Amino acid sequence: GAGVSQSPRYKVAKRGQDVALRCDPISGHVSLFWYQQALGQGPEFLTYFQNEAQLDKSGLPSDRFFAERPEGSVSTLKIQRTQQEDSAVYLCASSSYQGPSYEQYFGPGTRLTVT
Amino acid sequence: AQSVAQPEDQVNVAEGNPLTVKCTYSVSGNPYLFWYVQYPNRGLQFLLKYITGDNLVKGSYGFEAEFNKSQTSFHLKKPSALVSDSALYFCAVKGDSNYQLIWGAGTKLIIKP
Repeated sequence: GAGVSQSPRYKVAKRGQDVALRCDPISGHVSLFWYQQALGQGPEFLTYFQNEAQLDKSGLPSDRFFAERPEGSVSTLKIQRTQQEDSAVYLCASSSYQGPSYEQYFGPGTRLTVT
Repeated sequence: AQSVAQPEDQVNVAEGNPLTVKCTYSVSGNPYLFWYVQYPNRGLQFLLKYITGDNLVKGSYGFEAEFNKSQTSFHLKKPSALVSDSALYFCAVKGDSNYQLIWGAGTKLIIKP
C-alpha cells in the first residue's frame, strides 16, 4: 500500500527565497508530525496536527516557519526568507492514532539546501 | 525536561554475534520509550516501544529492548546480527508535551561479514 510521500525530495533555495514542502500522509491517518533533521543528528520535533487542528507548534524555530493541514490530510510546511541554518532534511510522519505514543510512519524526507 | 542519550556514535559487530545499541533517558514520571531504524535511502521505521508492562519488549526483525528503570536505560538487542541490520538506530522518549518525541542523535550499526 501507499506510504507517506513527500515532495520535492530535494530542494535548493537561494537565501531569502520562500519554499513549500509537501507531505501526503497515509490515507485516514489522524496524526501528522513534521521534524527537522540536521546532518548527523536525530529528528527534532517541529509541529503536530490532529486532523486539521495544529495542536503543537512549539518546535517551529522561528516565525518564518509555518505549517498547515487544512483538510486534515495533505500538509504543507512553508519556510519564508530561507536562511542557511534552515538547511536540513525535513521529515513528515503520520499515525493512525492520536499523539506520539504509537507507531509513526515516516516519509523519505525533503532535503533542503539553502545557498 | 525529558532527554535521551545514545552514548555510541558507531557500533561494530561481526555477523552472527549478539549486538547491543545503548540508550539512556531522563524523564519525570513514567517513560514512554521507542526505537526506530533508518536504512540507507529509506525513511525511519518503527522497531518497538515500551509503555508499561514486561521489561523485555520484542519488536520487528528479531530485535528486542530491555527497560531498566534503576539504570534509566533502554538498550536495543539482537541475539545474532545480520549484515542487513547495518543501519542508523534512533532511541526516542515521549517529551513533556503530549505530542512530542525527543530523539537521540543516533547510533550507526555496522555488521561485518
